[in-house]
Amino acid sequence: DAGVIQSPRHEVTEMGQEVTLRCKPISGHNSLFWYRQTMMRGLELLIYFNNNVPIDDSGMPEDRFSAKMPNASFSTLKIQPSEPRDSAVYFCASSIDRGGEETQYFGPGTRLLVL
Amino acid sequence: AQSVTQLDSQVPVFEEAPVELRCNYSSSVSVYLFWYVQYPNQGLQLLLKYLSGSTLVKGINGFEAEFNKSQTSFHLRKPSVHISDTAEYFCAVLLRGSYIPTFGRGTSLIVHP
Repeated sequence: DAGVIQSPRHEVTEMGQEVTLRCKPISGHNSLFWYRQTMMRGLELLIYFNNNVPIDDSGMPEDRFSAKMPNASFSTLKIQPSEPRDSAVYFCASSIDRGGEETQYFGPGTRLLVL
Repeated sequence: AQSVTQLDSQVPVFEEAPVELRCNYSSSVSVYLFWYVQYPNQGLQLLLKYLSGSTLVKGINGFEAEFNKSQTSFHLRKPSVHISDTAEYFCAVLLRGSYIPTFGRGTSLIVHP
């Protein structure tokens, strides 16, 4: 299996621009998570999907952030407009629902720099 | 609500020495416990997990962890570390019946030659 795939791996953009991060979960996994990692705040959960439905988006910072999962094999995280404080590494992770003991499989991350 | 505390932000150690990375959690219900490792510029990957049964759990790369319910701890150990073990280590707790784990802030293990 190819594992969780994220693109792009690196993104540099200017403040105010729209940024779209992409994730392909492991085939057969039905849970998907978006995380943000910074030195200051550590690993933060942004949003959790189960069977393509957003279940918990309480970690989404503000209205500038949005996430979608149109099908079981694709998810996007969009930031519009981007700000310098959004600079971070964004991880996508997937797991399979086995009644609560799921191991999460992380992608390699997207390193975002907003100038 | 559950929480996870990793007591050390950084642990320097010499190659071939033993190491222990500490993790304490708080929860009023039963939990699953995990240790993940993050190598530079990579995502997190599972080292080991405790679900039930034996309190001593063995993982990959020679790591093991012991679940101590009375002390609410899940410390990670390795008897002899290698340079290649230099990485960030995260402890995580998942409430039984929940789907969203809580991660600790991470411990940076630095192995010196």
